Amino acid sequence: GAVVSQHPSRVICKSGTSVKIECRSLDFQATTMFWYRQFPKQSLMLMATSNEGSKATYEQGVEKDKFLINHASLTLSTLTVTSAHPEDSSFYICSARWGLGENTQYFGPGTRLTVL
Amino acid sequence: QKEVEQNSGPLSVPEGAIASLNCTYSDRVSQSFFWYRQYSGKSPELIMSIYSNGDKEDGRFTAQLNKASQYVSLLIRDSQPSDSATYLCAVKETGGFKTIFGAGTRLFVKA
Repeated sequence: GAVVSQHPSRVICKSGTSVKIECRSLDFQATTMFWYRQFPKQSLMLMATSNEGSKATYEQGVEKDKFLINHASLTLSTLTVTSAHPEDSSFYICSARWGLGENTQYFGPGTRLTVL
Repeated sequence: QKEVEQNSGPLSVPEGAIASLNCTYSDRVSQSFFWYRQYSGKSPELIMSIYSNGDKEDGRFTAQLNKASQYVSLLIRDSQPSDSATYLCAVKETGGFKTIFGAGTRLFVKA
């Protein structure tokens, strides 16, 4: 299957700092990338959908000024959690899909964010 | 609001048995259906995708789709302890970009 990487895999930061998470598709060009958040023992919650070269589409209730998404190229998308607070501590997972007609999306390994 | 419903479990089966995981969805015109496996602390891994009514088999896994009943299931034959994980059902919106995930069913396979 397709390979999607995320960096870092784990990050611990102080409250009020910003954290950037990178998501890369390693062996294909991802026209669409998705960012999810997953709290313990809960399902994936879609935060936003981004297409290369255009602004991300955020789900209802997700603050676009707090969760900045940049999909600068067909292989890289970044999520920046600005002014992080303890309630932002979660497992952040990106997913990538190639082609508009493609139904399958592949997930990155996830990033565990802990805000102290 | 479109929904994907799963029994949260846990579902416990003995090693070697068949595990049956069920999922219902509310969007009648959904076309694409997926089962993902997620181990604790890891991201989801695609197991099966199914697009047509009926059964689709891949090794020990069989996905079953019934669009009239808006129901999709996953059967795991000869269950192994390594199959113990949370299984997520996912449905892709017709003509859309988003995939809607169920909350997942936790499966325990007892050795």
